[in-house]
Amino acid sequence: QVQLVQSGAEVKKPGASVKVSCKASGYDFSKYAIHWVRQAPGQRLEWMGWINAGNGNTKYSQNFQGRVTLTGDTSASTAYMELSSLRSEDTAVYYCASPYITMIEGIERIIPFGYWGQGTLVTVSS
Amino acid sequence: QSALTQPASVSGSPGQSITISCTGTSSDVGGYNYVSWYQQYPGKAPKLMIYDVSNRPSGVSNRFSGSKSGNTASLTISGLQAEDEADYYCSSYSSRSTFDWVFGGGTRLTVL
Repeated sequence: QVQLVQSGAEVKKPGASVKVSCKASGYDFSKYAIHWVRQAPGQRLEWMGWINAGNGNTKYSQNFQGRVTLTGDTSASTAYMELSSLRSEDTAVYYCASPYITMIEGIERIIPFGYWGQGTLVTVSS
Repeated sequence: QSALTQPASVSGSPGQSITISCTGTSSDVGGYNYVSWYQQYPGKAPKLMIYDVSNRPSGVSNRFSGSKSGNTASLTISGLQAEDEADYYCSSYSSRSTFDWVFGGGTRLTVL
């Protein structure tokens, strides 16, 4: 079955960078995009971007443009999210999510956010 | 980030049905059948419950159903059970230039 295992909690100072990993198993990691979503305490989910590690394509939310970098290592089936110039408002749980894949009338349908990692708490504090 | 609008809370008694709404615009909910719903318990990751407005992933109870009318999508849970008490979020693809996917603010479901 699909499983996403993320790296552990981080505490960072304002201005620093953080890199979170997401190791995938149970599906073809190289074929499908992985999305990153964050959730600040008591707040809504916020989409950050996606990466297809197989071809290197990425798409970022403009809310994070220039501060977030998504990468992937197909040999390790692992995706990475690096967020720079951290500020207190970046304190949140960061999730990776892989697609739910199904067949509809013989056509493959790829549903983003089908499976989620356990989340990584990033705390930004001086 | 413009977001989808959900009621902050809903409640119902065991066995009853409840409906949670998710209102967007013609650039997201109204323009595409790419609305999904997620269930999230406190401190846990979200779980996909409904995709493409009304489809259930395998393993999700048929007590959960989804629909859409215009710019508003809805999640209905019938035969409420205590285990349904959780936060529920909707999401939609968005054609806005700033982001591809947008989420609702979440709805806390309380089973009385």
